[in-house]
Amino acid sequence: DIVLTQSLDTLSLSPGERATLSCRASQSIGRYLAWYQQKPGQAPRLLIYDASNRATGIPARFSGSGSGTDFTLTISSLEPEDFAVYYCQQRSNWPLTFGGGTKVEIK
Amino acid sequence: QVQLVQSGAEVKKPGSSVRVSCRASGGTFSSYSISWVRQAPGQGLEWMGDITPIFAKTNYAQRFQGRVTITADKSTGTAYMDLNSLRSEDTAIYYCARHYYDSSGPDYLYSWGQGTLVTVSS
Repeated sequence: DIVLTQSLDTLSLSPGERATLSCRASQSIGRYLAWYQQKPGQAPRLLIYDASNRATGIPARFSGSGSGTDFTLTISSLEPEDFAVYYCQQRSNWPLTFGGGTKVEIK
Repeated sequence: QVQLVQSGAEVKKPGSSVRVSCRASGGTFSSYSISWVRQAPGQGLEWMGDITPIFAKTNYAQRFQGRVTITADKSTGTAYMDLNSLRSEDTAIYYCARHYYDSSGPDYLYSWGQGTLVTVSS
């Protein structure tokens, strides 16, 4: 199975600051990576697919980059509604796997 | 835009089985795969398996092989996830999610159901 490692469990930032989240794959997955946002009591929401494409309706402050084994999700300027947990997920091969998540909390 | 509506919360005894349903409305049902993902309390996301309704083709995570069965009824646009031999560690929210691309390969999860809490307790 492909293991995805999100090195930061928690990121403490203030509104308006830039958030940089990382995800590392145990083997090369090309650009087959997505990012999801999950708020308490809600289902995850697809933000970014194929490493850098924003899903429908996702604000431009969210961007993704990377290929191979190292990927980054950047939130250029945190809005109050962006404080949540973020997961990466690969579709290079079955089983689909997720990273452990990074919580972005208000500092 | 497809919407997925799941069945309600369940409380089950250890050793029993549970069935969770996921009904799709709007959009095309049969040609998009549906995955099932679970989330234990305070934990991350775990993929269990998927089905492509048009082919009735399934894929399962190895750790659930033999314990989970995913089916789909094309006539009603409903997918089902059956999990048997329940234990306390199966207590979780179970989500269905429609895949992003209309292929039967591994994919991203685009539209999610609201989740179904399954509690396993004696």
